[in-house]
Amino acid sequence: DAGVIQSPRHEVTEMGQEVTLRCKPISGHDYLFWYRQTMMRGLELLIYFNNNVPIDDSGMPEDRFSAKMPNASFSTLKIQPSEPRDSAVYFCATNRPPHRANTGELFFGEGSRLTVL
Amino acid sequence: RKEVEQDPGPFNVPEGATVAFNCTYSNSASQSFFWYRQDCRKEPKLLMSVYSSGNEDGRFTAQLNRASQYISLLIRDSKLSDSATYLCVVNLADSWGKFQFGAGTQVVVTP
Repeated sequence: DAGVIQSPRHEVTEMGQEVTLRCKPISGHDYLFWYRQTMMRGLELLIYFNNNVPIDDSGMPEDRFSAKMPNASFSTLKIQPSEPRDSAVYFCATNRPPHRANTGELFFGEGSRLTVL
Repeated sequence: RKEVEQDPGPFNVPEGATVAFNCTYSNSASQSFFWYRQDCRKEPKLLMSVYSSGNEDGRFTAQLNRASQYISLLIRDSKLSDSATYLCVVNLADSWGKFQFGAGTQVVVTP
């Protein structure tokens, strides 16, 4: 399996621009998570989906952030308009609930490093 | 108060020594607990799950203390390659999926 695939790996943009981050989950994983990591705040859960349905978006910082999961193999996190304080590494992670030999491990993508100037 | 708290460290450990650190969680109904490892500029990866009775994986031992609401990780015979940030992860009670990460404990193993 290819693992969780995120794109772009790096993005540098100017304040006010729209940013779209993409994630392809591991096939068969019905939970998908978006996290943001900064030095100051660590890893923050932004939103997660179960079977393509958003379950909890209480971590989304404000209306400038939106996330979608149109199908089981694709999700996006959009920031519009972007601000310098959005600069962070954004991780997508997927898993299945624990069952028998499945520990419920979260599998992370390599992250998208966003810099907003 | 944060839901999951860790001592940020760094814990400077001589090679071959033992190091241990804890993580406290605030929600007494939390059900699932994990330790993840994160290397610099990399994604977090599962180190081990933490079971009620405690569990060991090679040089790593994890314990859960529900009464005091903390989990611990002990690393024996530290290797240089153990240098990393160790993240405590708790699945908050009511439903699977709401994983909360601690800020991480940095471990630096020195020759």
